[in-house]
Amino acid sequence: GQQVMQIPQYQHVQEGEDFTTYCNSSTTLSNIQWYKQRPGGHPVFLIQLVKSGEVKKQKRLTFQFGEAKKNSSLHITATQTTDVGTYFCTPSNTGKLIFGQGTTLQVKP
Amino acid sequence: DTAVSQTPKYLVTQMGNDKSIKCEQNLGHDTMYWYKQDSKKFLKIMFSYNNKELIINETVPNRFSPKSPDKAHLNLHINSLELGDSAVYFCASSQDRGRSYEQYFGPGTRLTVT
Repeated sequence: GQQVMQIPQYQHVQEGEDFTTYCNSSTTLSNIQWYKQRPGGHPVFLIQLVKSGEVKKQKRLTFQFGEAKKNSSLHITATQTTDVGTYFCTPSNTGKLIFGQGTTLQVKP
Repeated sequence: DTAVSQTPKYLVTQMGNDKSIKCEQNLGHDTMYWYKQDSKKFLKIMFSYNNKELIINETVPNRFSPKSPDKAHLNLHINSLELGDSAVYFCASSQDRGRSYEQYFGPGTRLTVT
């Protein structure tokens, strides 16, 4: 099945700094979904990317899907303490989500 | 209104016992899932049901048996619990919309086997 590698595994930033997590696949993906899981919480759907080169924004969050549809990224501008959590990317074309370890973001106030 | 609910939220039990976790969704979705999240945050799918029919059955020990009495409910029964079963179990649901499988997760059930 399709699997993705996410980097970095952990990231500590000072509040106000930017943050980026990258999602890479060895195969072409039909689409990709991003989820956020707060500490002690459950995964919450953020967005789905479908088109090659697609860029979508949600306030301070910018999601990109690579031209070759083999990678994706999530960039957070000016992090806040509310951004703390683990961010997962997952291919979603089969209905079976394949999660990795995600990227855990810590934000120091 | 809770979209996907699970009971219990916490479950502490001894090895060898049998336990069940219940899940209900009020979103009108056709598909429900069970995931297991270990201590390293790996989130792995276990089962998926679509309109009460099993459609995904990953490599999971036979001690785990899902049951879907109707499309709004998906329960998980675990026999002869082992230490390695300790994890957080998440139920999720989705409305199949072509290629869109946005999933809604329940709050999770933290299972501790002693």
